[in-house]
Amino acid sequence: GDSVTQMEGPVTLSEEAFLTINCTYTATGYPSLFWYVQYPGEGLQLLLKATKADDKGSNKGFEATYRKETTSFHLEKGSVQVSDSAVYFCALNRYKFYFGSGTKLNVKP
Amino acid sequence: DGGITQSPKYLFRKEGQNVTLSCEQNLNHDAMYWYRQDPGQGLRLIYYSQIVNDFQKGDIAEGYSVSREKKESFPLTVTSAQKNPTAFYLCASSIAGDTSSYNEQFFGPGTRLTVL
Repeated sequence: GDSVTQMEGPVTLSEEAFLTINCTYTATGYPSLFWYVQYPGEGLQLLLKATKADDKGSNKGFEATYRKETTSFHLEKGSVQVSDSAVYFCALNRYKFYFGSGTKLNVKP
Repeated sequence: DGGITQSPKYLFRKEGQNVTLSCEQNLNHDAMYWYRQDPGQGLRLIYYSQIVNDFQKGDIAEGYSVSREKKESFPLTVTSAQKNPTAFYLCASSIAGDTSSYNEQFFGPGTRLTVL
């Protein structure tokens, strides 16, 4: 069946470091792919999305490219800030939603 | 502003009592969902509804019940049969359910339920 696998955390970085959070998926057909962010005690917020192969989603300095050949949708940011500390979820929609287990990011000043 | 509201933010109940969590959306979305999140864990689907007066069980429906009498409302009842009800509960909605693979889910702020 369809599924999403993302790297385990926590990921700890210093401010201004480069961020990569890996996400791979298993799905037949052409799912849409999403990254969500969850701050402590809050609901999930959509960070970015991509609906077809080679699409790049971007928002607030975060980017992710839909790579069908490697079934991946890795999240990247060139320079993280303390305020980026949160849990990040990768997800896919192929007529049903599947979420990854989440990756906690800690950014130290 | 359009969005999803969940109330209350924090809820405390004694063991053995049923409790109902509210979820309201004004996004005119057809589909609504309930998830459970335990500390440091991902999301687990409890129930979902794609249309008024219809809903389906998710992966962990035992001990929970829902209703969908209005498009904008999808309350969740945590019954006394739920063995470990203490958790963070998230409500979500999307424009369409399983008829589309393009749409994202929008989430409410969550309700933290603690059973004493």
